[in-house]
Amino acid sequence: DSGVTQTPKHLITATGQRVTLRCSPRSGDLSVYWYQQSLDQGLQFLIQYYNGEERAKGNILERFSAQQFPDLHSELNLSSLELGDSALYFCASSVGGTGWGQETQYFGPGTRLLVL
Amino acid sequence: ELKVEQNPLFLSMQEGKNYTIYCNYSTTSDRLYWYRQDPGKSLESLFVLLSNGAVKQEGRLMASLDTKARLSTLHITAAVHDLSATYFCAVVLPGAGSYQLTFGKGTKLSVIP
Repeated sequence: DSGVTQTPKHLITATGQRVTLRCSPRSGDLSVYWYQQSLDQGLQFLIQYYNGEERAKGNILERFSAQQFPDLHSELNLSSLELGDSALYFCASSVGGTGWGQETQYFGPGTRLLVL
Repeated sequence: ELKVEQNPLFLSMQEGKNYTIYCNYSTTSDRLYWYRQDPGKSLESLFVLLSNGAVKQEGRLMASLDTKARLSTLHITAAVHDLSATYFCAVVLPGAGSYQLTFGKGTKLSVIP
């Protein structure tokens, strides 16, 4: 158990709908990252937040948005869902957010999204 | 654009044998990570390699980094069934202030008794 929690574990929804994925980082970690894992694209970085502010953006679609709240939990919002958005969405957290030294990203259990 | 390539993508090996997984990356980076993923599960951090020539070992796994060749290897010694999993290497995209991991496609390892 990494200490990172994600809810829900599974989500089934229809095309065109909107969903929210939630992540709570490890105690003491200030950075939260979101990744998407799919069979065709592999593991892709979506976005990073550090202490409430966006730090880096990756291959995140405009239909997707995220935020980190004052209590450091994060939410990933996916809207106008398409079949191709079906994937495993991971949240990770780390202490500082720059990767210096032995800083490691710890991954949560993931949310499996199925869009029908 | 940073590209990370792993090979092989699939590896079937007998228990007791040795093998090496290779990870090549396209852009200068002095930080490389190895993760393990069991089917349907999350990613577990195995190694953090921070400098040229870095070598780390944990049990039957040993990872090394050659930043000049932009190459990391994950060596498996005397494989056992419990090592069956998918192994990912990941490299940090160079850039100030971010810690964005770019992953390889993963190597699916099956250890056969």
